[in-house]
Amino acid sequence: AQSVSQHNHHVILSEAASLELGCNYSYGGTVNLFWYVQYPGQHLQLLLKYFSGDPLVKGIKGFEAEFIKSKFSFNLRKPSVQWSDTAEYFCAVTNFNKFYFGSGTKLNVKP
Amino acid sequence: EAGVTQFPSHSVIEKGQTVTLRCDPISGHDNLYWYRRVMGKEIKFLLHFVKESKQDESGMPNNRFLAERTGGTYSTLKVQPAELEDSGVYFCASSWPGQGRTEAFFGQGTRLTVV
Repeated sequence: AQSVSQHNHHVILSEAASLELGCNYSYGGTVNLFWYVQYPGQHLQLLLKYFSGDPLVKGIKGFEAEFIKSKFSFNLRKPSVQWSDTAEYFCAVTNFNKFYFGSGTKLNVKP
Repeated sequence: EAGVTQFPSHSVIEKGQTVTLRCDPISGHDNLYWYRRVMGKEIKFLLHFVKESKQDESGMPNNRFLAERTGGTYSTLKVQPAELEDSGVYFCASSWPGQGRTEAFFGQGTRLTVV
């Protein structure tokens, strides 16, 4: 079975700091990769996705992620975080139609 | 366009009771999924419907859990009888037909507390 590891469980940053959240997955075949975000009191929303092509993927709100196949990684980045980025972030992998999620990273941005 | 809706948003029940969770997917989405998150751990797959058929129910914890999808529209997840370890947030998601190359749209979840 596939698994997804998110190394940072809780990250605290000040506004304007740079962000990188790690994500590694275990499956060696063809996968589709996603980052979802859950803002306080809201549902999970898609930040960005990678299916194929350019391994550097740009998403909403200035987020981007880089797929490195040799490292089985799909790390999420943002050059300058804002207070409104405070949320929980989930990395996910799909093989066919089943999503496998990491345990989530809580990001707390201090104003 | 309406999103995925789940009802109720919260439920507190006693051990041994029955609870039924409901999910209304986005109209036209053949794929419907149930997931569960327990105590801040990872979001775990429970099962997957394609229209009214169960495509994959490998994540269902045991036979106390029963999922149905009447007519390929809304879905229910019944827990009977509920146990303490069933507490958690139950998410429903739906997506367009496709082999994984589509995003899943999630509901807000139902927080189930078994006391």
